[in-house]
Amino acid sequence: QKEVEQDPGPLSVPEGAIVSLNCTYSNSAFQYFMWYRQYSRKGPELLMYTYSSGNKEDGRFTAQVDKSSKYISLFIRDSQPSDSATYLCAMKLTGGGNKLTFGTGTQLKVEL
Amino acid sequence: DAEITQSPRHKITETGRQVTLACHQTWNHNNMFWYRQDLGHGLRLIHYSYGVHDTNKGEVSDGYSVSRSNTEDLPLTLESAASSQTSVYFCASSEPGQGRDTQYFGPGTRLTVL
Repeated sequence: QKEVEQDPGPLSVPEGAIVSLNCTYSNSAFQYFMWYRQYSRKGPELLMYTYSSGNKEDGRFTAQVDKSSKYISLFIRDSQPSDSATYLCAMKLTGGGNKLTFGTGTQLKVEL
Repeated sequence: DAEITQSPRHKITETGRQVTLACHQTWNHNNMFWYRQDLGHGLRLIHYSYGVHDTNKGEVSDGYSVSRSNTEDLPLTLESAASSQTSVYFCASSEPGQGRDTQYFGPGTRLTVL
């Protein structure tokens, strides 16, 4: 079993929809949670960063962490075609140096 | 502007050949990482370095090596390329102690081993 599980999709939604992307994990020592966005044939770029449990909002994006359930989510409101990309969750241990453990990524397509 | 670059962007090689992929960053970051990205596996860590002359193995290090002689560069060497090493390779860098641990990724190198 992988430490971090993520539904690979692909997920196709109409423009303006609310998108929910999720990851589950098995290691309760993960304390830092990130979402990276990767456009086709590009490197990933950091989208959201949260520490421990709770919510964090940035514009149309909301990251949610539920440590009791070992479950994290990324919500995208009013989705746009420019949001079409692969979204990767990533996690870091406290005291684990700067190594990240990534999910496999969910491919999202927002259609006009 | 600071950046991280990789070269070559595309490479085709033959089984058994030695291949070196270059990674250069101008962020002046101490931490550098090499990943491979394959369908169904996501990003997997190959090797990483926390500073000059420091190198560490990641989860898929067999058949790969790195050396860190300065802050800016972390070349990745495939000692004897195998078809299983056909993949997209990403280099990343980050700075410790900033809390966010943001890793900045390069554009990737697409390697095909025939």
